[in-house]
Amino acid sequence: DAGVIQSPRHEVTEMGQEVTLRCKPISGHNSLFWYRQTMMRGLELLIYFNNNVPIDDSGMPEDRFSAKMPNASFSTLKIQPSEPRDSAVYFCASSSRHGMGTEAFFGQGTRLTVV
Amino acid sequence: QQQVKQSPQSLIVQKGGISIINCAYENTAFDYFPWYQQFPGKGPALLIAIRPDVSEKKEGRFTISFNKSAKQFSLHIMDSQPGDSATYFCAASGNTGFQKLVFGTGTRLLVSP
Repeated sequence: DAGVIQSPRHEVTEMGQEVTLRCKPISGHNSLFWYRQTMMRGLELLIYFNNNVPIDDSGMPEDRFSAKMPNASFSTLKIQPSEPRDSAVYFCASSSRHGMGTEAFFGQGTRLTVV
Repeated sequence: QQQVKQSPQSLIVQKGGISIINCAYENTAFDYFPWYQQFPGKGPALLIAIRPDVSEKKEGRFTISFNKSAKQFSLHIMDSQPGDSATYFCAASGNTGFQKLVFGTGTRLLVSP
């Protein structure tokens, strides 16, 4: 398996534009997580899906952020409109059990820069 | 209560030395404690994990020590190597239901040759 695949690897956009980040989890995994990593706040869990259903989105910072998982092999994280403070590395991770009492596999991340 | 406090923020160790990173938690419902290793430009990857029914787990040069009463756990890297230079994150979660994996703030380790 190729692991968790994220695209794009890098994204530079202007403030106010819409940004869509994409994730393909590991085949057979039924849990998917979106994290944001910054120097100031470390790794923050934004949202967690189980069997394609959003379970916990309490980490989503504001209404400008939305996430979808239309099927078991694809998820998106959308920011609209984007702001400079959204600049961060966004990681997608997947695992094969409920909750996270097991290993979460991370993608290589999308480095987002909003100018 | 959801926080995991990690220290130090950065660490420099000579090759062959012992690297020690500490974490503390408050939530007594946590019962799964993994450590993740992250290299620049990569996502975090699971290094080693422990459950509170044991006080120590060793995998090669990496050891987790767990103190349930003090709600503390630590990562020891024996015979540290330059290839161990990375950022290390401790984490914690419950093992039932839909529990979040809460990460510490990370420790940047540099092993000097």
